[in-house]
Amino acid sequence: DAKTTQPPSMDCAEGRAANLPCNHSTISGNEYVYWYRQIHSQGPQYIIHGLKNNETNEMASLIITEDRKSSTLILPHATLRDTAVYYCIVRTRSNDYKLSFGAGTTVTVRA
Amino acid sequence: NAGVTQTPKFQVLKTGQSMTLQCAQDMNHEYMSWYRQDPGMGLRLIHYSVGAGITDQGEVPNGYNVSRSTTEDFPLRLLSAAPSQTSVYFCASSSPTYPNTGELFFGEGSRLTVL
Repeated sequence: DAKTTQPPSMDCAEGRAANLPCNHSTISGNEYVYWYRQIHSQGPQYIIHGLKNNETNEMASLIITEDRKSSTLILPHATLRDTAVYYCIVRTRSNDYKLSFGAGTTVTVRA
Repeated sequence: NAGVTQTPKFQVLKTGQSMTLQCAQDMNHEYMSWYRQDPGMGLRLIHYSVGAGITDQGEVPNGYNVSRSTTEDFPLRLLSAAPSQTSVYFCASSSPTYPNTGELFFGEGSRLTVL
């Protein structure tokens, strides 16, 4: 699986959009981008995933660049409860079940 | 649905002791797995199972045993606890369509300290 690079931390103001970048310059054509988050040492929670088209669900939007070498997770209206560690993961869809979690980005939403 | 349930939530062991971390899910998920998370780090896969009677090693399997006799349960056994196994352990499960969706459901974690 391709490796990902995320900033170690970022702050965001409550009510504003939070844009979380992820670099995956070695991604291959059959690899998807997944996002999970982990709130205060709870179990990680799935957010969203995509291949090359932008995706949106009730939690977030995922924007993938045309060359697929990077992506951005957007939390449209961040709340204090969105304070968490966010993990960007790249894997093949038919992989052998081994999700690899890196260090992620610690996002702090401030009132 | 209770989802993924882990017990115990906290445990303190002495070096050399053995114990079993329990994981149960009520979502009829075929896939189950165990991860460990050390302070300030991401999760690392220990063992996983794609169905009853089938298990395989992950990234850091040494010192741990697993078995899968039922769809619902996936216990993790520490054979002879060492201080290096002090960690938070997470169990996760997924639907039969995994890995197509990539959505893992995690338990709340079991915090283990080995003295």
